[in-house]
Amino acid sequence: AQKVTQAQTEISVVEKEDVTLDCVYETRDTTYYLFWYKQPPSGELVFLIRRNSFDEQNEISGRYSWNFQKSTSSFNFTITASQVVDSAVYFCALPGSGNTGKLIFGQGTTLQVKP
Amino acid sequence: KAGVTQTPRYLIKTRGQQVTLSCSPISGHRSVSWYQQTPGQGLQFLFEYFSETQRNKGNFPGRFSGRQFSNSRSEMNVSTLELGDSALYLCASSLRGTLTDTQYFGPGTRLTVL
Repeated sequence: AQKVTQAQTEISVVEKEDVTLDCVYETRDTTYYLFWYKQPPSGELVFLIRRNSFDEQNEISGRYSWNFQKSTSSFNFTITASQVVDSAVYFCALPGSGNTGKLIFGQGTTLQVKP
Repeated sequence: KAGVTQTPRYLIKTRGQQVTLSCSPISGHRSVSWYQQTPGQGLQFLFEYFSETQRNKGNFPGRFSGRQFSNSRSEMNVSTLELGDSALYLCASSLRGTLTDTQYFGPGTRLTVL
């Protein structure tokens, strides 16, 4: 069965520190996509990135970068030079099998960035 | 392009009542998925609709139901509310609800059951 594990429940850092959020997944699908979402205190889930299982190249977008390693079933997310505005809950997600419009989420990692 | 909208944003109900939540997807998106978020269970999938048909349903009791209209707008209904139904209900839309589609979420409806 599909499963996503985010072992880090809460992380607290001081502004300008780098921080990595871990995501480990399980799937029997040979082709799949992985997602990261951010949930600020307002509650809305904001889409950050989508990666497919064919592409293991690291992705960088500004201060955000993602490291996808199929061999370890991990899709980790790093924020460089963290800012207070990065404080939020971050979720890693994997689609359910089949074209069913279902995302399976990890438990989320709460990131607190202190000034 | 306007994002996903959900109404109402906040609801307070008492046990035994029923409630209807509404979701308007991004224009052109035909798949709408619903999720329940609670501190204890996290984000859990409720159901997904595509072209007015429910294609998938999560592990929730029959008190949770939904529908989708021809303009892709969706509603979900919870009958005979229980205290445990207090949660943030999130709606997401995507083009077709396939494995490759990105789901975009609305701001959610926060339901409190007293």
